[in-house]
Amino acid sequence: DGGITQSPKYLFRKEGQNVTLSCEQNLNHDAMYWYRQDPGQGLRLIYYSQIVNDFQKGDIAEGYSVSREKKESFPLTVTSAQKNPTAFYLCASSPGLLETQYFGPGTRLLVL
Amino acid sequence: KNEVEQSPQNLTAQEGEFITINCSYSVGISALHWLQQHPGGGIVSLFMLSSGKKKHGRLIATINIQEKHSSLHITASHPRDSAVYICAVRSSTGNQFYFGTGTSLTVIP
Repeated sequence: DGGITQSPKYLFRKEGQNVTLSCEQNLNHDAMYWYRQDPGQGLRLIYYSQIVNDFQKGDIAEGYSVSREKKESFPLTVTSAQKNPTAFYLCASSPGLLETQYFGPGTRLLVL
Repeated sequence: KNEVEQSPQNLTAQEGEFITINCSYSVGISALHWLQQHPGGGIVSLFMLSSGKKKHGRLIATINIQEKHSSLHITASHPRDSAVYICAVRSSTGNQFYFGTGTSLTVIP
C-alpha cells in the first residue's frame, strides 16, 4: 500500500541526547515536510524539502536538523539544543511543493 | 495574532445535527485546506479550495476569498465524525503554510 510511515510511534529521550525520527514515503512525492504540534497551537513547520538533496528551514528550525539523501526518506534529528522537545511530530509529503499534503501517523516524543 | 483563526474551539453536537466550523485568515492565500485529525494523531486532508464550494459525501467546504473566510459543514453528523478539524492556508507569497489551532468536534449518539 502507498503511504507515509513514521517510526517509532512513541519515543523517550533523556535530556542532552540527540534522537532521530524516521519518515518514509512510497508515494513518489518530491516534497516532504516536518511539523511540530503542541497543545493549543496549530502545526508549526520545522523543515521542508522540495527535492532530494535540498531542504529549507521552516518557522521553528532551531535545535533540529534534517537530511534528504533519498526521495523516499526525510529523517528529523532533534538535537540537545532544542530546549523544549516534548511534542507530537508529524511528517507529510506532497507531489510538489505546497500541493495537497499527505500526513504520516506521527511520533510522540517525550523527554525524561 | 494567528494568521488563521478557527471557531468554535470546541463543539459538541447530537447525532444528526448540521455542523458548521468557521475559519478566518488574514494573509493573501493561493489555497485553503481543511484537515481532519483523529484521536491518536493521524491527519487526513479533506479539501483543498481556492474558490467556491466543494462537496464530498456529507462534508461541504466553502470559501469566500473577498471576506477571507471559509466554512466546513457536516450534514447528518455521526459519532464517527468526532475529530479535530484544522484549517490551513497556503500563502500566496512565499513557501508557507499557516495552520489554525483546530476545532474539536464531539458528536454524541
